[in-house]
Amino acid sequence: NAGVTQTPKFQVLKTGQSMTLQCAQDMNHNSMYWYRQDPGMGLRLIYYSASEGTTDKGEVPNGYNVSRLNKREFSLRLESAAPSQTSVYFCASSRDFNTGELFFGEGSRLTVL
Amino acid sequence: DQQVKQNSPSLSVQEGRISILNCDYTNSMFDYFLWYKKYPAEGPTFLISISSIKDKNEDGRFTVFLNKSAKHLSLHIVPSQPGDSAVYFCAARAPNTNAGKSTFGDGTTLTVKP
Repeated sequence: NAGVTQTPKFQVLKTGQSMTLQCAQDMNHNSMYWYRQDPGMGLRLIYYSASEGTTDKGEVPNGYNVSRLNKREFSLRLESAAPSQTSVYFCASSRDFNTGELFFGEGSRLTVL
Repeated sequence: DQQVKQNSPSLSVQEGRISILNCDYTNSMFDYFLWYKKYPAEGPTFLISISSIKDKNEDGRFTVFLNKSAKHLSLHIVPSQPGDSAVYFCAARAPNTNAGKSTFGDGTTLTVKP
């Protein structure tokens, strides 16, 4: 089973460029999430989608936008990348809104020069 | 204010011995706790969880202990194996909170030496 798939795995951007991180899950999960992880730190929630058709801000949403395209797919967009957005980004999903554990993708390493 | 703290950034143990990873929390509303394991260049994977109605949960070599009065949980790995070398994150959340809104600690890097 593929689980949670993220693309691309690596990306280098220049300041001001835009890009979209794609995420898809094949587990029929209702909720999906985007996190960032900076060196030596835990995971911080950027945005989440509790169910298809809904999105909400997490802890660190500034500079990002999201789209829940359908039940399977949840994308994260950086409209104007900044060096502070250099990080590893993880997409995750869970079966329900408030139960169980998270299933993570392999991560996308983004560098903004 | 960091609500979930893993005060040891790293831990090194010998193969076959016990590994004890610690996690402290400050929010008394937290009632569900999880441990995730992360290998380099991979996403975190769920390891074990515990509800606040229990003080212990066991799964094979992994046991999580919860001390609610001390707001402390620990993960015991017995016996430790080299394949357990990874970063371990503890996470906590309050009742009726979105699964993804768990609060994560900064992680502890475990190294198990052969």
